[in-house]
Amino acid sequence: RKEVEQDPGPFNVPEGATVAFNCTYSNSASQSFFWYRQDCRKEPKLLMSVYSSGNEDGRFTAQLNRASQYISLLIRDSKLSDSATYLCVVNNYQLIWGAGTKLIIKP
Amino acid sequence: DAGVIQSPRHEVTEMGQEVTLRCKLISGHNSLFWYRQTMMRGLELLIYFNNNVPIDDSGMPEDRFSAKMPNASFSTLKIQPSEPRDSAVYFCASSLGRGLPNTEAFFGQGTRLTVV
Repeated sequence: RKEVEQDPGPFNVPEGATVAFNCTYSNSASQSFFWYRQDCRKEPKLLMSVYSSGNEDGRFTAQLNRASQYISLLIRDSKLSDSATYLCVVNNYQLIWGAGTKLIIKP
Repeated sequence: DAGVIQSPRHEVTEMGQEVTLRCKLISGHNSLFWYRQTMMRGLELLIYFNNNVPIDDSGMPEDRFSAKMPNASFSTLKIQPSEPRDSAVYFCASSLGRGLPNTEAFFGQGTRLTVV
């Protein structure tokens, strides 16, 4: 089993819809969690950190479920510009990366 | 700050040649990561340094790969001899603190390597 697992997608979603995807991790001692966004042929960039109480940044909401060992990302009112690959990252005193979930927003 | 700077941005080389990728960290950062990304395998950690010391090189594919950090702000990743299967995008990233909670990694723009 991989340490960090994501559904590779692609998720094809109409513009304006809400989309959510999860990421599961195997190490229950993981310290912190992040969502990164990677555009095609570009470097990954931090989208948001994931706090145990959950956090929201505009249309994006991230949540952590330690009991079930997953984190989630919810995108509301999706835009064409949200099309990207979303990478889940788990910090176990080193960063462990998921393979990413590809999201395609269609007009 | 200019961010993490990688060079070259693109490299095309013939099989068997030596390839050197370069990375300049963000000033003040003390952790340095080299990653490789391919469609098949996703983003893979090759090696990371903390305070110029290699901490974990278990991701380095084989002896053909070597990485150095001659000073606190600069690193090189060398492949010798290169092979077509080394073709990938190589990212360098830096962060402040090794594995501290909520430590964010900042990436360079990557080097797209093609070995023919």
